[in-house]
Amino acid sequence: DVKVTQSSRYLVKRTGEKVFLECVQDMDHENMFWYRQDPGLGLRLIYFSYDVKMKEKGDIPEGYSVSREKKERFSLILESASTNQTSMYLCASSLRVRGIEQYFGPGTRLTVT
Amino acid sequence: GNSVTQMEGPVTLSEEAFLTINCTYTATGYPSLFWYVQYPGEGLQLLLKATKADDKGSNKGFEATYRKETTSFHLEKGSVQVSDSAVYFCALRPNFGNEKLTFGTGTRLTIIP
Repeated sequence: DVKVTQSSRYLVKRTGEKVFLECVQDMDHENMFWYRQDPGLGLRLIYFSYDVKMKEKGDIPEGYSVSREKKERFSLILESASTNQTSMYLCASSLRVRGIEQYFGPGTRLTVT
Repeated sequence: GNSVTQMEGPVTLSEEAFLTINCTYTATGYPSLFWYVQYPGEGLQLLLKATKADDKGSNKGFEATYRKETTSFHLEKGSVQVSDSAVYFCALRPNFGNEKLTFGTGTRLTIIP
């Protein structure tokens, strides 16, 4: 089974802190994704990586950065957390194959106070 | 650009009722279509998919048919159970260009005994 794990299920941080969210997949997938999920808005793509050290902005990249130094690991960084970044963060991975699905981690619920 | 429009929720049904959750899409060409399910406190899991017109995806009693003429991928189940209570997301992935998923806003389904 494909496994996507995220470093924390719940996280509470203060405004202005630097926050790291880690995601690891064990199936040698080329693509990795970070989404945020908010009620009524569905899932919105923050950043996407299709290879080590490669990244592409998604729909809402402002206030976020990412790092992919190894194929299996994709990190989301909030440089200076703000209350409007309180959300559920979901990581996903997939093969670079036409029509293939993405596999999701369990999510990290981040609260910024 | 690509978009997915999903039936507004929440939807509440009695056990053993028939379920339909509508999904229509806008995309160029022939995208792949997916239904994901999110149970309380968990990440998204793939429920079913279809990669070309007239394909029917099915899993756990759920079905959806890829209708190119109506650009739809409606989710159906003949007899729902309490354990089907979850949030359901329709999504598409283009078959060319970038490999990002575009999601609908999700439909919360509650089944009452």
